[in-house]
Amino acid sequence: DAGVTQSPTHLIKTRGQHVTLRCSPISGHKSVSWYQQVLGQGPQFIFQYYEKEERGRGNFPDRFSARQFPNYSSELNVNALLLGDSALYLCASSLAGDLGYTFGSGTRLTVV
Amino acid sequence: TQLLEQSPQFLSIQEGENLTVYCNSSSVFSSLQWYRQEPGEGPVLLVTVVTGGEVKKLKRLTFQFGDARKDSSLHITAAQPGDTGLYLCAGQETSGSRLTFGEGTQLTVNP
Repeated sequence: DAGVTQSPTHLIKTRGQHVTLRCSPISGHKSVSWYQQVLGQGPQFIFQYYEKEERGRGNFPDRFSARQFPNYSSELNVNALLLGDSALYLCASSLAGDLGYTFGSGTRLTVV
Repeated sequence: TQLLEQSPQFLSIQEGENLTVYCNSSSVFSSLQWYRQEPGEGPVLLVTVVTGGEVKKLKRLTFQFGDARKDSSLHITAAQPGDTGLYLCAGQETSGSRLTFGEGTQLTVNP
C-alpha cells in the first residue's frame, strides 16, 4: 500500500509569492493534518481536516489556509510568503489520532 | 496550547551504552506517541502509549507513560549505530485535533 504522498518534494519561491502544497493520505484514512518543521525543532501543528471539515487550527496567520477534497486528499496554501516560512511541511494521515499518525516525506519550501 | 519538554536535546554515545530520553508536560494527553525521524524524511511512528503507567517494549526500546499521563520516557538498551536519528515525543491533545511535539532528541551512536 502506498504511504502518505506529498508533492512537490522541494520548492523555491520568492518573498510575496503564493504556494500550494499537496497531500494524498493512506487509503481509508479520513483525517489529514499539516505540520511545519523548522530546522532543529519539532513539527508545529498547522491544521487538521476530517471528512472535509476543519477540526483544528494551530497558531499560524491567516496567510495559511487548507482544504480537504472528497477523496480525502488535501492542499495547504500559503499566501504572501515570508523568509520565515522556509521549512519542511509535513502531511500526516490517521484512522484515529490515538492510534498514531503516518507522515509523508514532506515538502521542503525555501523562500528567498 | 499544551507544551512538551524533551530532554536531552543532543546525545552522543558509544555503541553498547544505554540511554534514556525524557518527555515532560504539565498537561494531560490522551496518548503519548514516539517517532523517529531521519534527515529529509517525515517522522516514523515507533509506539503509542495510551494508559497511565503503561510500559511497552519494542526490541531494545522501552517506552513508559507516566501514571498521570503527563510524561513519558524512552529507554534504549545497548544502543547501535543504526539507532542514530532524531527522536520525537508527541502528545495527542484530549480535544483530538492535534499532536504537540517536543523539540526532539538528536541521538548519535558512535561505533
